[in-house]
Amino acid sequence: AQTIHQWPVAEIKAVGSPLSLGCTIKGKSSPNLYWYWQATGGTLQQLFYSITVGQVESVVQLNLSASRPKDDQFILSTEKLLLSHSGFYLCAWSPGLGGQDTQYFGPGTRLLVL
Amino acid sequence: GDSVTQTEGPVTLSEGTSLTVNCSYETKQYPTLFWYVQYPGEGPQLLFKVPKANEKGSNRGFEATYNKEATSFHLQKASVQESDSAVYYCAHSNNRIFFGDGTQLVVKP
Repeated sequence: AQTIHQWPVAEIKAVGSPLSLGCTIKGKSSPNLYWYWQATGGTLQQLFYSITVGQVESVVQLNLSASRPKDDQFILSTEKLLLSHSGFYLCAWSPGLGGQDTQYFGPGTRLLVL
Repeated sequence: GDSVTQTEGPVTLSEGTSLTVNCSYETKQYPTLFWYVQYPGEGPQLLFKVPKANEKGSNRGFEATYNKEATSFHLQKASVQESDSAVYYCAHSNNRIFFGDGTQLVVKP
């Protein structure tokens, strides 16, 4: 069975500080990977997706960047946090290239920027 | 362009009453349709998906029919429980997935 793990579970960070969030998928080789952001009480906003190691496509940047250093790992980062970065960050994976594949979400990382 | 529009929440119901969450989508292609559910503090999870027009998806007493002519995929449940309280997202996907804004359901005992 596939498992998806996100870290950290929660973060409180200062405006202007750097950020790195991680996501690991086990039990599935070559998954498609996605980052989503969700404002408190808000909808799901897809930020990035990746279909292979080293390749990341931006959907909406929000002054964030993403990287896929390994087949099973997806990293979301920024060098300088803004207040508007607060929210719930979700990593997701899907089994294939087709856009009609089901996406499976991780437990999320809650970020509060002060 | 592609979009999904669903019932604006919160929707507040008493246990045992029926639920309908409207969902309409716009696309020029032939999408797969999804309903996801998100419980507080968790990531969304798939409730069910329907890849073909005029077919019905169902899970945990929830169901929805892919109406291609009306471009709708309304979520229904005959009798809601307090444990159904969550946010429900309608989505469609072609090359990428498009989520609605979510509908918060609050079920009171």
